[in-house]
Amino acid sequence: GQSLEQPSEVTAVEGAIVQINCTYQTSGFYGLSWYQQHDGGAPTFLSYNALDGLEETGRFSSFLSRSDSYGYLLLQELQMKDSASYFCAVRAGGWGYSTLTFGKGTMLLVSP
Amino acid sequence: DADVTQTPRNRITKTGKRIMLECSQTKGHDRMYWYRQDPGLGLRLIYYSFDVKDINKGEISDGYSVSRQAQAKFSLSLESAIPNQTALYFCATSGSTNPLAPDTEAFFGQGTRLTVV
Repeated sequence: GQSLEQPSEVTAVEGAIVQINCTYQTSGFYGLSWYQQHDGGAPTFLSYNALDGLEETGRFSSFLSRSDSYGYLLLQELQMKDSASYFCAVRAGGWGYSTLTFGKGTMLLVSP
Repeated sequence: DADVTQTPRNRITKTGKRIMLECSQTKGHDRMYWYRQDPGLGLRLIYYSFDVKDINKGEISDGYSVSRQAQAKFSLSLESAIPNQTALYFCATSGSTNPLAPDTEAFFGQGTRLTVV
């Protein structure tokens, strides 16, 4: 089976930097994704890392180390609107098919 | 209009009733998924379909069934609803120009909040 571990909650202040870690165990690994969800709304895609290294998209960056089965999401210049739940998810499977398995989510609380 | 539309958005039903949740998409994707979300448990995969003739069980398929009526439509049924199926249900789609390549992004509907009393 597959399993992912991420912290349940992280708090930070506006303007700060926060890192949300994710470790995973899986077979047939293709890549690690991050999704954001506000208050039970639709999860929305943030990033996907298939190769080792850092991917940057505006204020958000995502990192993957395949050898360590580890990744993180880095949020810079935090804003109040970044308060949300963040899910890491592994894309894994066999040849010609793959599914997303999600972690339990990290609730990020940004305070003024 | 949303790319992935779920109906109904909210539903309260009684134990033992049959209920169907519907999902339609305009993204032209072949791959569709049903997830369930419970507080503190993340999203768990119930069923998935990679084309109209393909149906696969996910992590928690017991008590559920699905139907892929067309490329754009994927329905989830609870044959006899029970209270522990109270949850937020999400439909999602993904697609790739290469059918053998893993998809990089999934697109979610707005969810159906189901309460079984």
